[in-house]
Amino acid sequence: DSGVTQTPKHLITATGQRVTLRCSPRSGDLSVYWYQQSLDQGLQFLIQYYNGEERAKGNILERFSAQQFPDLHSELNLSSLELGDSALYFCASSSPARGDTQYFGPGTRLTVL
Amino acid sequence: EDQVTQSPEALRLQEGESSSLNCSYTVSGLRGLFWYRQDPGKGPEFLFTLYSAGEEKEKERLKATLTKKESFLHITAPKPEDSATYLCAVQPFGGQNFVFGPGTRLSVLP
Repeated sequence: DSGVTQTPKHLITATGQRVTLRCSPRSGDLSVYWYQQSLDQGLQFLIQYYNGEERAKGNILERFSAQQFPDLHSELNLSSLELGDSALYFCASSSPARGDTQYFGPGTRLTVL
Repeated sequence: EDQVTQSPEALRLQEGESSSLNCSYTVSGLRGLFWYRQDPGKGPEFLFTLYSAGEEKEKERLKATLTKKESFLHITAPKPEDSATYLCAVQPFGGQNFVFGPGTRLSVLP
């Protein structure tokens, strides 16, 4: 158990809809990262937050947004969903005290029909 | 641009047949290199961090090594439960973000 939790585990929705994925980092970790992993694809970095502020952006679509709240949990919002957005979405957290090692959550599997 | 490649893409071994996985990287400055194991449909599980050339880390049947341009994950006498995708990631200097390689899909047959 990495200590990172993600909800929901599975999400099935229709094209054009909007969903919110939630992540709680390991205790004490201030950084949260979001990744997308499509079928047979590698991990694609989307965005990083550090202590409530956006720190870095990767290949995140404009239809996607994220935020980190004062209690350090994070949410990834996906809107105007398309079939191609079907993927596993992972959250990871890290701390400089642990050498910035990223610990991953179990993921949310999103299916867009 | 920072890049990570891994080879082979897929590897099938018989139980007990030792082998190595390769991770080659191009980065302006390396802060750390990380190895993860990922089972299908699960989140990556942290294995090792390496920081400098010549460093080695071991855990059970796995040993990771690092040179200036690549890292190897050696698997000694693998068992079927070692079957997974092994991911390599680099952390460049000046940031916390990782650049992940595409992974090597390892199958160990009984």
